[in-house]
Amino acid sequence: KNEVEQSPQNLTAQEGEFITINCSYSVGISALHWLQQHPGGGIVSLFMLSSGKKKHGRLIATINIQEKHSSLHITASHPRDSAVYICAATYNDYKLSFGAGTTVTVRA
Amino acid sequence: DAGVIQSPRHEVTEMGQEVTLRCKPISGHDYLFWYRQTMMRGLELLIYFNNNVPIDDSGMPEDRFSAKMPNASFSTLKIQPSEPRDSAVYFCASSLKLAALSYNEQFFGPGTRLTVL
Repeated sequence: KNEVEQSPQNLTAQEGEFITINCSYSVGISALHWLQQHPGGGIVSLFMLSSGKKKHGRLIATINIQEKHSSLHITASHPRDSAVYICAATYNDYKLSFGAGTTVTVRA
Repeated sequence: DAGVIQSPRHEVTEMGQEVTLRCKPISGHDYLFWYRQTMMRGLELLIYFNNNVPIDDSGMPEDRFSAKMPNASFSTLKIQPSEPRDSAVYFCASSLKLAALSYNEQFFGPGTRLTVL
């Protein structure tokens, strides 16, 4: 079974703090995805990466293929960053295997 | 483009009734996915299509669930008969194949919240 593990399960931060969410996967992947789900329920793809690092605004995603590990960082966190962040892996096809999600709450 | 469109957004039905969820993918996308999200199990892939053909339905929980994609712009997920444990949010997503890659970004619809009483 293709396992994707996320940590922490929940995270609370003060506005302005640096946030890190971790994701590990069990076997070789084609790509690692980071998704964001807001309280309204919609899911948005933030990043898709197979190596190295990607940055979009205050969000940074990194992946270490050798260690089978990826991180999502939020710099200068803001209350509007409060959401569930989901890590997902694509293996040798288009299917996504999902982590359980990390609920992030940023307090003003 | 309007993005992935799902209907209805909310559905409340009684146990034993037939439920049909609908999805219109982004125009030009050749992959379509149906997912289910519950508190207990998180997001799970039910089935996906490539060029209207079902590729993998191993996530479909049982024979009560069926999915079709009669053309490139429409797909349905049907539950017959529905049971309370089917209550969940059902997402449809679409994707466009990039040459030489076995993955691409998926675009999700807003989801259908199904409640089976």
